[in-house]
Amino acid sequence: DQQVKQNSPSLSVQEGRISILNCDYTNSMFDYFLWYKKYPAEGPTFLISISSIKDKNEDGRFTVFLNKSAKHLSLHIVPSQPGDSAVYFCAARNNNDMRFGAGTRLTVKP
Amino acid sequence: GAGVSQSPSNKVTEKGKDVELRCDPISGHTALYWYRQSLGQGLEFLIYFQGNSAPDKSGLPSDRFSAERTGGSVSTLTIQRTQQEDSAVYLCASSYSGGKGYGYTFGSGTRLTVV
Repeated sequence: DQQVKQNSPSLSVQEGRISILNCDYTNSMFDYFLWYKKYPAEGPTFLISISSIKDKNEDGRFTVFLNKSAKHLSLHIVPSQPGDSAVYFCAARNNNDMRFGAGTRLTVKP
Repeated sequence: GAGVSQSPSNKVTEKGKDVELRCDPISGHTALYWYRQSLGQGLEFLIYFQGNSAPDKSGLPSDRFSAERTGGSVSTLTIQRTQQEDSAVYLCASSYSGGKGYGYTFGSGTRLTVV
């Protein structure tokens, strides 16, 4: 039962351009949505989150958009940098139950 | 400590043997979680500890899996009679209770390989 889905396993973007990572969910009870970034041989690190009562949250180069009616969220990174190359996990939380997507591997080419 | 510490970082074991994975959460974090990531998969919830409450074991895949948390701090995940499908990276995370929007702090994981 995959409640959080990331349908693109990989994404390649040129340095300086925008990266858009997408995520879909099925459970309308989720009240927080989060993005994590993971480098090889490291644990995921928290990047940015958004409450279900908002539709946008911005933090520097990172912006998360939430479309509740479509049960869809996206992470925009602009401008993309080579150091952003990592696996990005989308997560959705309902109380203490947090579910993760399968991840999208972002490669930013110099 | 400054972060979530997991040991060992890598473990190779023979099928049928028992293994123990350890997690030291961030001091003061009352919530502790175990997840695992199989090849090509997302993070699969296993078990959750919150203070002195009974743990949420709903994610444990079989009765070969168990976990305990002693003194509200260190946690041990035990897998009995390991099978090849148990091969995965096992991740531990901790957080303050109620910090919904701030996410968890993860350890670097234990890569378990069952041969």
